[in-house]
Amino acid sequence: EAGVTQFPSHSVIEKGQTVTLRCDPISGHDNLYWYRRVMGKEIKFLLHFVKESKQDESGMPNNRFLAERTGGTYSTLKVQPAELEDSGVYFCASSPPPGLAGVGDTQYFGPGTRLTVL
Amino acid sequence: GQQVMQIPQYQHVQEGEDFTTYCNSSTTLSNIQWYKQRPGGHPVFLIQLVKSGEVKKQKRLTFQFGEAKKNSSLHITATQTTDVGTYFCAAIIIQGAQKLVFGQGTRLTINP
Repeated sequence: EAGVTQFPSHSVIEKGQTVTLRCDPISGHDNLYWYRRVMGKEIKFLLHFVKESKQDESGMPNNRFLAERTGGTYSTLKVQPAELEDSGVYFCASSPPPGLAGVGDTQYFGPGTRLTVL
Repeated sequence: GQQVMQIPQYQHVQEGEDFTTYCNSSTTLSNIQWYKQRPGGHPVFLIQLVKSGEVKKQKRLTFQFGEAKKNSSLHITATQTTDVGTYFCAAIIIQGAQKLVFGQGTRLTINP
């Protein structure tokens, strides 16, 4: 079974430019999550899709970030315009349809996209 | 503010020594999960603890969930060089929610 894939693996852009990250979850996983780890800090939740719907976007830093999951398959995360503090590793994770209420299902993480904003 | 505190931030041990990392929260957790991230890699799920006082073992790794479901620990017995990496705890804070709140991670390095 193929795991979660992310593209690109690395991206180096200048401040003010736009970058779009892509995530392909494991086939059949309704839940898709975006997380970010800024250098030396903890991994922070950005948002959660259930199929094509945004279930929770409480972690999105500001309106420069736009996530989409049209058709409920792959997802994109666009940063426009990018700022220096957006640098970090962006992880995508997916999990199967929800299990028991209050019990988290295993989240399978992708390899991440390392974003560097100069 | 930080909802899940993890200590220590770094730990360096001699191969063969034991290692423990701790996670604490001021709130009761629905469950707690542990992940390992190898250098240059991505978080890989290790285990999930759900019940109060639960203890689970995976070979040399022992995971505990506190009686009050506010703390957890991961203990590695007799570390090996393959144990190198950053260990994260992650918790479901809100009942019924799916988002994980991660601890800061403990980076383990080992002297062979």
